[in-house]
Amino acid sequence: QTVVTQEPSLTVSPGGTVTLTCASSTGAVTSGYYPNWFQQKPGQAPRALIYTTSNKHSWTPARFSGSLLGGKAALTLSGVQPEDEAEYYCLLYYGGAQPWVFGGGTKLTVL
Amino acid sequence: EVQLVESGGGLVKPGGSLRLSCAASGFTFSSYSMNWVRQAPGKGLEWVSSITSSSSYIFYADSVKGRFTISRDNAKNSLYLQMNSLRAEDTAVYYCASSHNWNYDYWGQGTLVTVSS
Repeated sequence: QTVVTQEPSLTVSPGGTVTLTCASSTGAVTSGYYPNWFQQKPGQAPRALIYTTSNKHSWTPARFSGSLLGGKAALTLSGVQPEDEAEYYCLLYYGGAQPWVFGGGTKLTVL
Repeated sequence: EVQLVESGGGLVKPGGSLRLSCAASGFTFSSYSMNWVRQAPGKGLEWVSSITSSSSYIFYADSVKGRFTISRDNAKNSLYLQMNSLRAEDTAVYYCASSHNWNYDYWGQGTLVTVSS
């Protein structure tokens, strides 16, 4: 069974920079896993932030960026705002009969 | 404005059935793959099922295979999830989400399914 692993929790100061990562139990994450990133605030539906590794949606704030880092997918927030406090999920594509697997999520605290 | 509106959730007994619907508007529904994603109370997101734009390809998570059936009606801009033989562990908020070329974009607000006697 494929497992996608994210940091359970991270804390960042307002104005700071933080990187969240997304690792695959099958090995290095590449662009062929088409990483997607989502933000979810309490009581709300997830909101898409990044697709296919590094592409932003029209509504994605410029301070969010996606990349591949050390064999993992990464989401970097630069100049963190208090409203960025949320749960962040990555989603990887594996193809086959069960093509998509979510990471367990990272709870980001802005403190 | 893009909208995805789920409906059909509720309380059902173990072994029962429920049909979820997702009404889409504001985009060319027939050009997008559609997906169901669920979230158990206090837990993370779990991919459940996907269907391509013309229903040519359908995929299910192992946890629901053989019990759930995804379908769509492009003429009605609607996505469905027929859920049979429901179990307590199926209790979750169910979201529909659109995707195109590995790009998940729009999400609905979700509908709560509670399986309990």
